[in-house]
Order: sequence, then C-alpha cells, then structure tokens
Amino acid sequence: GAVVSQHPSRVICKSGTSVKIECRSLDFQATTMFWYRQFPKQSLMLMATSNEGSKATYEQGVEKDKFLINHASLTLSTLTVTSAHPEDSSFYICSARENGRQVGTEAFFGQGTRLTVV
Amino acid sequence: LAKTTQPISMDSYEGQEVNITCSHNNIATNDYITWYQQFPSQGPRFIIQGYKTKVTNEVASLFIPADRKSSTLSLPRVSLSDTAVYYCLVGDGKAGTALIFGKGTTLSVSS
Repeated sequence: GAVVSQHPSRVICKSGTSVKIECRSLDFQATTMFWYRQFPKQSLMLMATSNEGSKATYEQGVEKDKFLINHASLTLSTLTVTSAHPEDSSFYICSARENGRQVGTEAFFGQGTRLTVV
Repeated sequence: LAKTTQPISMDSYEGQEVNITCSHNNIATNDYITWYQQFPSQGPRFIIQGYKTKVTNEVASLFIPADRKSSTLSLPRVSLSDTAVYYCLVGDGKAGTALIFGKGTTLSVSS
C-alpha cells in the first residue's frame, strides 16, 4: 500500500536553532501534502497545506515565517521550524493523498516526528 | 467541513464487540466518512471508509444510516492491541482537501 515516510522520527534541538523535517511519499505522487501538530493527549491540528511548486497555505494562528514549508517535488515536502523555542516541542505529522485517484481515497500519514526543544 | 461528535472515551474487554458512533449532522452530499486509528507517538492509520449503507473489511465494519447524519464503527472481538484513539472524519476525499480532526474516542481494552 501507499506509504508516507517522515524523517527524523525524533529530534532534540537547542533553543534558537532550526530543525528540518522531511515528508516523502514513497510510491505515489502528491501535489498537496498536509502538516499537522499534535500536543500530548490532544487531537491533530492542521498547521498548513503544502503545495508543490507554490506557496504553502497556513492555518490561522500559524506563523509562516516560523514554520517554513517547501514542497519542491511531487514526493517531498519539508517543514523547517526556525528559531525553535521550548513551546514548539510537539509531535509533527505529515499526510498526503495520491494524485489522480478517485475522490474518497484515504489519506496516508507519516509516522510522525517528535521534536523536543531544550 | 462537517463537524463530527464522538464519545470521548470507551472501555471494553478482550473478545467483545465495540461500536463507536459518530454524529455528523451537517454532512454534505459529496462527503465520505472515514475512520482512522492512532497509537501513541504514531501517525493515524486508515481503518475504513464509506459513503452509505454498510462497508466491511478485514478489521472493521462501518454502518451508515440512510440519512448519513451518523455512522458507527464496529470492531469485532477487540484485543488489547486495539487500545488506541479512533477518529471519525467527514470530507470530500479530494487529494487537495485536508482532513480536519475532532477529539476522537479513546478506546481502552482490558483483559
């Protein structure tokens, strides 16, 4: 079945540094990918929609200059957390559906990235 | 996007059938109903999807009444490994449409 892979699965960084998270669709192409953030014991919150070859669309309250998204190809989207603060510590998850499939096709999720900012 | 309402939590024992009901009163004509399962520190995993009536796969069944304003995920003979959060989502299923998650139902299975 279709697979979405995230890397790294967990990362610890110092405050003020930047961290890049990669999301790859391994066996399908995705013009659009989605980034979510999940705090402990809470649901997934949509952060942004990543569009191949164009600017990402951010949800209200998500700082685009802090969470940089680059969707350079049909199989790769990256999320860079810039000037990380401890409150950015969270579980980040990406998702994608395959291009060209009929509507109603399920979305596939990466395994998530646990970011800890110290 | 249609909002969904699910019970916050449910408890069960191994071997029992578990039914989780989701309300989606404002579901649109072109919306599908999809259920996902999430274990701690993992991304959600697709369980089942339907549009109307009943859908069954190797892990679950999905019952959707004619008015489509609710749906019920049925897990037969649960085991300890079914302890997870279950999310009901409603959307048009297009590649460019994001899934919006509600609070989900935390299912706890005991021996």
